[in-house]
Amino acid sequence: EPEVTQTPSHQVTQMGQEVILRCVPISNHLYFYWYRQILGQKVEFLVSFYNNEISEKSEIFDDQFSVERPDGSNFTLKIRSTKLEDSAMYFCASSVSSGIGTSGTDTQYFGPGTRLTVL
Amino acid sequence: AQRVTQPEKLLSVFKGAPVELKCNYSYSGSPELFWYVQYSRQRLQLLLRHISRESIKGFTADLNKGETSFHLKKPFAQEEDSAMYYCALSGLRGTSYGKLTFGQGTILTVHP
Repeated sequence: EPEVTQTPSHQVTQMGQEVILRCVPISNHLYFYWYRQILGQKVEFLVSFYNNEISEKSEIFDDQFSVERPDGSNFTLKIRSTKLEDSAMYFCASSVSSGIGTSGTDTQYFGPGTRLTVL
Repeated sequence: AQRVTQPEKLLSVFKGAPVELKCNYSYSGSPELFWYVQYSRQRLQLLLRHISRESIKGFTADLNKGETSFHLKKPFAQEEDSAMYYCALSGLRGTSYGKLTFGQGTILTVHP
């Protein structure tokens, strides 16, 4: 069964450094998402992406964050200058559609996550 | 604003006992509700959604719009049900289409 994959599984970086988290969504999926979970807190939506542009983003997704689909398979999240509070588990998800025009939201399939530690 | 509340962080039951994981939501439009599960060392995966009205692994959940609740129930818990359970909400045909809002999760432990 196809799965969403994420690399690396764990990333340690110094405050102020740039990081790029990588995701390979399921191949026929068209909608891509990033979520994050700070330790002990809720899973929070960051951004959704479709047709090479951002569909929706949360207040967390400020100018320090960007997303890109550089080729036909990868979907990346870049944090330009990491802060201590960016330490979290970052989950990528993908779905065939968002469900607009159908009877409901399409199922999102999640990757295993990347644990980002900012020192 | 959309919000999901799971009042219990931890829930322990014995094998064979009924289990109910509570979920309440706040949303101004028509929501779609989901339960996601994360077993130990595995990824988040969809357990069930209210639109499907199906039973997965013996679990059911009914959307109660009057009480704004979507509690997850199973009549006879099994040890393999031990996991973290997340209730989540998405706006149906709204501006938050596709965006999932999660509750804080409930860790269910089923003792032998």
